[in-house]
Amino acid sequence: EIVLTQSPGTLSLSPGERATLSCRATQSLSSSYLAWYQQKPGQAPRLLIFGTSTRATGIPDRFSGSGSGTDFTLTISRLEPEDFAVYYCQQYYSSQRTFGQGTKVEIK
Amino acid sequence: QVQLQESGPGLVKPSGTLSLTCTVSGGSISSSVWWTWVRQSPGKGLEWIGEIYHSGSTNYNPSLKSRVTISVDKSKNQFSLNLSSVTAADTAVYYCARYFYYYVDVWGKGTTVTVSS
Repeated sequence: EIVLTQSPGTLSLSPGERATLSCRATQSLSSSYLAWYQQKPGQAPRLLIFGTSTRATGIPDRFSGSGSGTDFTLTISRLEPEDFAVYYCQQYYSSQRTFGQGTKVEIK
Repeated sequence: QVQLQESGPGLVKPSGTLSLTCTVSGGSISSSVWWTWVRQSPGKGLEWIGEIYHSGSTNYNPSLKSRVTISVDKSKNQFSLNLSSVTAADTAVYYCARYFYYYVDVWGKGTTVTVSS
């Protein structure tokens, strides 16, 4: 089973700052198999990025994804007030899917 | 536009079986996608439970496999989750969702299930 470890657990930033979220896998993944989601309190998650770097429909271009192998990154170039939320990475490998434990981006 | 709606009891007794149904609207359950269940315990992260294809093929989380059954009813455009021998640790918000290739593109709103006597 592939385990995804996200860091940091919590990121305290101000609006307008840059956020860099990390997701590390215990085995090398195809870049097609890595996605990112945003979740706000009381809501279902929302797809942000799939295939490591492709933004989902309607996702602003301040969100970007990158990485390969075991190390993947979600970057929010300039935080807007609505971006403060929890972010999860998720992978698919050998008919199994796992989520990272999440990174909370909170207002400093 | 495909929409998903979870339904089922909000309260289940310990050692009982949790049963939920997800109704697919705006599209066919026989599409070339995987239909999945994900849960989120209070204050915790997301946990993939398992998934089913319209043919009936399934994949399960190894940590839950012995207790989980996911089934599909094409005539009703629904798929279902059964989780047996539940304990308080199974208390969670349960989401049904659609996996399009390697990512979830449609989520249900989620339903809260509490395990308590």
